[in-house]
Amino acid sequence: DAKTTQPTSMDCAEGRAANLPCNHSTISGNEYVYWYRQIHSQGPQYIIHGLKNNETNEMASLIITEDRKSSTLILPHATLRDTAVYYCIVTLSGGSYIPTFGRGTSLIVHP
Amino acid sequence: EAQVTQNPRYLITVTGKKLTVTCSQNMNHEYMSWYRQDPGLGLRQIYYSMNVEVTDKGDVPEGYKVSRKEKRNFPLILESPSPNQTSLYFCASSQSGRRYYEQYFGPGTRLTVT
Repeated sequence: DAKTTQPTSMDCAEGRAANLPCNHSTISGNEYVYWYRQIHSQGPQYIIHGLKNNETNEMASLIITEDRKSSTLILPHATLRDTAVYYCIVTLSGGSYIPTFGRGTSLIVHP
Repeated sequence: EAQVTQNPRYLITVTGKKLTVTCSQNMNHEYMSWYRQDPGLGLRQIYYSMNVEVTDKGDVPEGYKVSRKEKRNFPLILESPSPNQTSLYFCASSQSGRRYYEQYFGPGTRLTVT
């Protein structure tokens, strides 16, 4: 699996967009980008994933650069309940069955 | 409601006393796995199962056993727990194939071994 680099922590004002970056410069052509989040001591929660195109669902948007070496998770209107650790994972879909959760980004949403 | 359940949620035990943490999912998922989470080390996979009677080691399998006799259940067994197994444990499940990484996690089991 390709290695990812994320900032250790970020903060965001409630109601504003939270943009969480992830670098994955060694990503290969058939690897997907997955995002999870973990609210304090709860089980991680799947957010979104993508291969090349930008993706959007009810939780977030995922923007992947054209060269696929980085991506950004966007929470369009962050709320206090979005305070969590966000993990970016790059891996083959259905390939290795050992996903690697790195340190992630601790996002704090403040009033 | 689609969910992964774990029991117990909290457990304090003593060294050497065998214990089992149960995991059950109601989504008919083929794939199930166990993780432990420790401060500074992130989530590490212990064991996984691709289907009934098919299990394999993850990154940190030492000291643990699993079984998959039914599709919905994937218990984690600690035959002789030691203090270094004090941790927060998560069970997860997902469909096989392309949706494998859309994993559903349980609420966690906080284990303390004294």
